[in-house]
Amino acid sequence: DAGVTQSPTHLIKTRGQQVTLRCSPKSGHDTVSWYQQALGQGPQFIFQYYEEEERQRGNFPDRFSGHQFPNYSSELNVNALLLGDSALYLCASSGQGYNEQFFGPGTRLTVL
Amino acid sequence: QKEVEQNSGPLSVPEGAIASLNCTYSDRGSQSFFWYRQYSGKSPELIMFIYSNGDKEDGRFTAQLNKASQYVSLLIRDSQPSDSATYLCAAFAGGTSYGKLTFGQGTILTVHP
Repeated sequence: DAGVTQSPTHLIKTRGQQVTLRCSPKSGHDTVSWYQQALGQGPQFIFQYYEEEERQRGNFPDRFSGHQFPNYSSELNVNALLLGDSALYLCASSGQGYNEQFFGPGTRLTVL
Repeated sequence: QKEVEQNSGPLSVPEGAIASLNCTYSDRGSQSFFWYRQYSGKSPELIMFIYSNGDKEDGRFTAQLNKASQYVSLLIRDSQPSDSATYLCAAFAGGTSYGKLTFGQGTILTVHP
């Protein structure tokens, strides 16, 4: 049973560039949530996708956008990268009717 | 006030002791609570969740919830060096087709031999 997968593992970008991160949920899950975790902090909720729609959004600017595909996989896009966007980006999947969220291995983004 | 606050660490306990991790939350609409373990450089791993007031045991782990006091705790019995990690408390709030986790800042636990 495949767990949550994310790609790439690591990414280095420069300020002003754009980045796309990818996530495939755990088998049987249809809801994907994205979190940002800065060093030494707990994860912060970015947004959540279900049925290819953004269902809920955290306190992140419009530079952060996402998408969910019919196979439930998801992308997180960040435009006009800032130094402060450097963080571990986590994808979590869950099934409808269940609150438990399971995390993927994360993508470490470094913005120079 | 932070939405989810965890007891300040780091916490250091000897092998075989009980480690006690505490968490308070401010949103009374929170429906369920989760404890995640995160090893350095890795992603959070779900250990336990609890919905109802009282205790819930799973092996060496016991989660406790008191909704009136808005308090959640995790006890780790017979602590092992492999339990050394950051422990994250999270509160879930949402509806039928949506819901987010709000995390505390984490408590670093070190179990020394």
